[in-house]
Amino acid sequence: DQQVKQNSPSLSVQEGRISILNCDYTNSMFDYFLWYKKYPAEGPTFLISISSIKDKNEDGRFTVFLNKSAKHLSLHIVPSQPGDSAVYFCAAGSPSGGSYIPTFGRGTSLIVHP
Amino acid sequence: DVKVTQSSRYLVKRTGEKVFLECVQDMDHENMFWYRQDPGLGLRLIYFSYDVKMKEKGDIPEGYSVSREKKERFSLILESASTNQTSMYLCATERGSYNEQFFGPGTRLTVL
Repeated sequence: DQQVKQNSPSLSVQEGRISILNCDYTNSMFDYFLWYKKYPAEGPTFLISISSIKDKNEDGRFTVFLNKSAKHLSLHIVPSQPGDSAVYFCAAGSPSGGSYIPTFGRGTSLIVHP
Repeated sequence: DVKVTQSSRYLVKRTGEKVFLECVQDMDHENMFWYRQDPGLGLRLIYFSYDVKMKEKGDIPEGYSVSREKKERFSLILESASTNQTSMYLCATERGSYNEQFFGPGTRLTVL
């Protein structure tokens, strides 16, 4: 059973517009959330994170919003650029027995059209 | 910058062969992970390690084993490769809990 769900396999957006990628989770113990970006034939790279004590974290064009009551987080990219075209993975984790293992969603493929 | 290298970008093996995938990191990170990525399934954790000679099973350890004899090197072993192990294999490191992971470029393994 998926604990981290990215229900949209793909998203298509026009350059300059906002991209919103969504992620839902089921485990209420998750307290740290991350977004990664992955280009074809490369490993994922870290984009932005948020802890459960916050509801928003911003880094340049990227903002992550966390709604704990809804167990939902979203990544906003404004403005979107063609170079943002990639697969985006949401990850969530919680401490367990002294360790911390993130659980990844299945990814959303973002295509930004020029 | 953290550098995570994987021994091969592309690998083709035959069913039943023993396969070694090597991962080396240069930033003295304690934690290392092996994932496989398959279309529509995202990243699934195979094994991880928090210290030398330490290993823990992830979500899909069946058919795999690992070795960590030195802090900077984490090896994934397919004891007897099967066609359903054809996948992209990704190694990652992490400085400690609640930190981001740094991934290698991946090894595309095909088992014929």
